[in-house]
Amino acid sequence: DAKTTQPTSMDCAEGRAANLPCNHSTISGNEYVYWYRQIHSQGPQYIIHGLKNNETNEMASLIITEDRKSSTLILPHATLRDTAVYYCIVHPQGGSEKLVFGKGMKLTVNP
Amino acid sequence: NAGVTQTPKFQVLKTGQSMTLQCAQDMNHEYMSWYRQDPGMGLRLIHYSVGAGITDQGEVPNGYNVSRSTTEDFPLRLLSAAPSQTSVYFCASSYGANVLTFGAGSRLTVL
Repeated sequence: DAKTTQPTSMDCAEGRAANLPCNHSTISGNEYVYWYRQIHSQGPQYIIHGLKNNETNEMASLIITEDRKSSTLILPHATLRDTAVYYCIVHPQGGSEKLVFGKGMKLTVNP
Repeated sequence: NAGVTQTPKFQVLKTGQSMTLQCAQDMNHEYMSWYRQDPGMGLRLIHYSVGAGITDQGEVPNGYNVSRSTTEDFPLRLLSAAPSQTSVYFCASSYGANVLTFGAGSRLTVL
C-alpha cells in the first residue's frame, strides 16, 4: 500500500535545476515528508525533510504544497554526482527506525 | 567519527551455513535497523531496535535473528542461509528517531 508516488525516472542537464516530484495524497497531519537518495551501490543518504513549511539546506530545497498532498525536491544546480535513486517517504516524526522505502525514482544528470 | 560500520563488505556462503553480519555505530544512536535490498527493489526492513535489549520485526524478518546487547552494536544473524537471502544488506542508525545514517552495505551471496 504505497503512501507516495514518484515517477520511475527522469533526466536533467548538468547545471540545471532538477525538480523531483512526489505525490502523497493520503498523508496524515502528523506525517513528515522525508527525502533520501542512494548513489549506485552506496548506502542511502538523508537529504531533507519537512512538515508543511518549505525547507532548504545545503543540499536541496523542499517545497510542500499547501494541502500537503504533494511535494517537490529541488536540486538547484544538478551535477553528475547527483545521479542517484531518490526516495520520497512520508512518516510520523519519530520511529525512523521503521522507515519504509519504496522503489524511488532514478535521476540521471546528463553532461 | 566512523559513523555506521558494517562488516564484512562481501561474503559468499553455501546453503545451510550460518553467519553474522556486524553493524557498529559510534554516534550513541538509540535506534538501529537492518534493511535488505534486492536488484531493482527498494529497501525492505528486516529488524529494528529502539534501544539496548529491545528488538522488533520489520517487513521481512523470516530467516534472520538480531540482538542488541549494547547501544553500539546490532548484529544480524543468518542461522541457515538460503539462496533467497542473496542480497545487499544495509544497517542504519538514528538519534531521536528522525534521520537515518546508513552504513556502506554488506553484499551477501548464497550458493
